[in-house]
Amino acid sequence: GEDVEQSLFLSVREGDSSVINCTYTDSSSTYLYWYKQEPGAGLQLLTYIFSNMDMKQDQRLTVLLNKKDKHLSLRIADTQTGDSAIYFCAETLPQNNAGNMLTFGGGTRLMVKP
Amino acid sequence: ETGVTQSPTHLIKTRGQQVTLRCSSQSGHNTVSWYQQALGQGPQFIFQYYREEENGRGNFPPRFSGLQFPNYSSELNVNALELDDSALYLCASSFNGQPQHFGDGTRLSIL
Repeated sequence: GEDVEQSLFLSVREGDSSVINCTYTDSSSTYLYWYKQEPGAGLQLLTYIFSNMDMKQDQRLTVLLNKKDKHLSLRIADTQTGDSAIYFCAETLPQNNAGNMLTFGGGTRLMVKP
Repeated sequence: ETGVTQSPTHLIKTRGQQVTLRCSSQSGHNTVSWYQQALGQGPQFIFQYYREEENGRGNFPPRFSGLQFPNYSSELNVNALELDDSALYLCASSFNGQPQHFGDGTRLSIL
């Protein structure tokens, strides 16, 4: 079955690192994604990782994937007040060459204190 | 490059009415997916369109229907609106399984 879980809330101080965690249940996931949602807006794609990778780094963002434990994390280095938002983890399952459907977690609200 | 655009941004309807939401996909994208995001929750997949055909559907009743046009834009139609249909409706476009890019959504309120 499909189930993606995240902790609800994370608070950090400006300049610190943030780590947002996610667990998923379907071992056939192909890609895992992190999206950011600011108030009143849609979802912004931050980064994604293919299921045969362990780590991906993109500027201040580092994604770690532990496929054995079905655990995904997003680390934001030097967190800024502009990083305050809700972060969603999502997985896709193999569908066909046309596209993949996303299954989202409930989101983690990140609050960055100055 | 034009991103995903959705219209209208906000909409108020009453129970039993019908609504049509519109989405223009990002340039070069051929696949459109629709999601429903209730307040305080993650988005839930409604359905996906590829080459004008439905290409997968989530756990939503038949009163949720859609279309994709030759220019890859799409519509989401909801009949017999219920109070629980109040949500943010998100459209996402992609090209052949590549990452989906989202619009800013349509906020639908049912009175």
